[in-house]
Amino acid sequence: DIQMTQSPSSLSASVGDRVTITCRASQTISIYVNWYQQKPGQAPKLLIYTASTLQSGVPSRFSGGGSGTDFTLTISSLQPEDFATYYCQQSYSTLITFGQGTRLEIK
Amino acid sequence: EVQLVESGGGLVKPGGSLRLSCAASGLTFSNAWMTWVRQAPGKGLEWVGLIKSKTDGGTRDYAAPVRGRFTVSRDDSKNTLYLQMDSLETEDTAVYYCSTVGISGSRYWYYGMDVWGQGTTVTVSS
Repeated sequence: DIQMTQSPSSLSASVGDRVTITCRASQTISIYVNWYQQKPGQAPKLLIYTASTLQSGVPSRFSGGGSGTDFTLTISSLQPEDFATYYCQQSYSTLITFGQGTRLEIK
Repeated sequence: EVQLVESGGGLVKPGGSLRLSCAASGLTFSNAWMTWVRQAPGKGLEWVGLIKSKTDGGTRDYAAPVRGRFTVSRDDSKNTLYLQMDSLETEDTAVYYCSTVGISGSRYWYYGMDVWGQGTTVTVSS
């Protein structure tokens, strides 16, 4: 199975900061990475698919990049509602795998 | 609007069985690829299984920890997805979510899980 490794595991930041979360795949997976946001007690929400395409309705301060094995999720200017846990997920194989998550906390 | 509603969770003893359901509305369910994802208390997301639409073969894939114990199935006449869980272990305790992961002919599966249910809680304990 393809392993997805996110870093950092947790991150403290302030409103207005620019933050970047990285995800590394254990093998090359082209652009087949999706990113999700999850808030406590809620189901995950799809933010970005195929590495860089913004899901409908997601604010433009979210962006994604990368290809091959290394991927990033960037939030350009943190808003209070962005403090949550973020997950990457590979869709190169139907044996789907998620990263372990990055918890974004208020500094 | 697409909606997914899970049901069937509860408390079960180790070694026992449980069947979860996921009722779908607002989409042509027979064309949808569907997945189950779980989240143990305080832990991250773990993919459980996937079933393709019958149009695309209807085949299923499973994560290693549940392969041979869990079965994903679908009843397109009832717009319902199922997860049959047998030989349950304490490590299977989690919130179980169903989600859509693609629509035959209109949305590639690799575009990610775009609609999720609210989840149903399974607790495996003696």
